[in-house]
Amino acid sequence: QSALTQPPSASGSPGQSVTISCTGSSSDVGGYNYVSWYQQHPGKAPRLIIYEVDKRPSGVPDRFSGSKSGNTASLTVSGLQAGDEAEYYCSSHAGSSNFVVFGGGTKLAVL
Amino acid sequence: QVQLVQSGPEVKKPGASVKVSCKAPGYAFPSYGLHWVRQAPGQGLEWVGWISAVQDNTNYAQKFQGRVTMTTDTYTTTAHMELRSLTSDDTALYFCATGSTDWYSADYWGQGTLVTVSS
Repeated sequence: QSALTQPPSASGSPGQSVTISCTGSSSDVGGYNYVSWYQQHPGKAPRLIIYEVDKRPSGVPDRFSGSKSGNTASLTVSGLQAGDEAEYYCSSHAGSSNFVVFGGGTKLAVL
Repeated sequence: QVQLVQSGPEVKKPGASVKVSCKAPGYAFPSYGLHWVRQAPGQGLEWVGWISAVQDNTNYAQKFQGRVTMTTDTYTTTAHMELRSLTSDDTALYFCATGSTDWYSADYWGQGTLVTVSS
């Protein structure tokens, strides 16, 4: 069982927006501004798309945005494209005893 | 852009140990340290641990404490992860990864090393 809870699936049509949640606790998501999001296509290594809650690495389109409220972080993908279909994982710093924890992943389908 | 190159696939018997390496050719060891993350077949990502660039400071997931050791060789810019007392549950793709922005995220990933544990 993952430390962070994500919905197993999400979907949207091309051009629409979809939001994926990531729920933790005050010991991880709620306690630190170190939430990251990763995109993983089948057979590929994960790709960092959001770090420190709402920052985008260079090269990541601004269609991807992150936010946090209390113990829940969210990833919003706007203007959905076929290439956005992938697995998305959140992670968070969780203190010195559990440096990094991951969510279970959300499979995003672009219908 | 940092490239991480990992060692090749391994097949081990239950109870054995495996040592996976991760090299950053041509670069100084990542300043934000190095994470090891694994992914069992068809499953999600699981954080295994982290090692710093200096003084070999480590932080292991509680699940693996006592069974994993992470080391670095700064002269060869190579990191190693050894996992002992393997069971079939350890069958997974093991990634090394490092970040350029903070200690808790990773924007550079190795290609992954498949470790298969089977009798």
